[in-house]
Amino acid sequence: DQQVKQNSPSLSVQEGRISILNCDYTNSMFDYFLWYKKYPAEGPTFLISISSIKDKNEDGRFTVFLNKSAKHLSLHIVPSQPGDSAVYFCAASAGVGNTPLVFGKGTRLSVIA
Amino acid sequence: GAGVSQSPRYKVAKRGQDVALRCDPISGHVSLFWYQQALGQGPEFLTYFQNEAQLDKSGLPSDRFFAERPEGSVSTLKIQRTQQEDSAVYLCASSTREEEISYEQYFGPGTRLTVT
Repeated sequence: DQQVKQNSPSLSVQEGRISILNCDYTNSMFDYFLWYKKYPAEGPTFLISISSIKDKNEDGRFTVFLNKSAKHLSLHIVPSQPGDSAVYFCAASAGVGNTPLVFGKGTRLSVIA
Repeated sequence: GAGVSQSPRYKVAKRGQDVALRCDPISGHVSLFWYQQALGQGPEFLTYFQNEAQLDKSGLPSDRFFAERPEGSVSTLKIQRTQQEDSAVYLCASSTREEEISYEQYFGPGTRLTVT
């Protein structure tokens, strides 16, 4: 039973346009959410996170939105660049830090020049 | 500073062999996590250490899997009598210095295990 779901296995976007990656979760105990980016043959790299007490967090071209009532979060990348092509994982934590993360299956983003 | 390192990067084992996978966390990080990532899936939690104490091993799939971190730094994940279903990428992550609370985990490049 997947507690964190990324329902789009892949997404293709033109360079310069906005990329929107979605994530849904089922566990109400999750209180912190993270996005990781993964290139082939490398480990996941932390990208951006959001606490459940916020509904938006922005870092440069990356913004994460959280809708707690819908148990939904999304990652916006604007403008998208070819170097953003990677697999993006949504992850959630139910503890007060230092606890295991629960990951979705990932969405492969392809940014076309 | 150096990130999380893992060795070997690739391991091919015959079914029934024992394997040992090593993780060197970021210096000073007290928390260390092991995850298993099957093809086309996200990482799945295996076990977690705080310093040398193994606080959670609920994700280990069977008693063939064993992890240790005897001095609170380097960790080893051992798989005994490997089976084909053990084929996956094994990721190690570390997090936080003493007296910190952090959600972000920093991952190594992983060890790709193939059991033939």
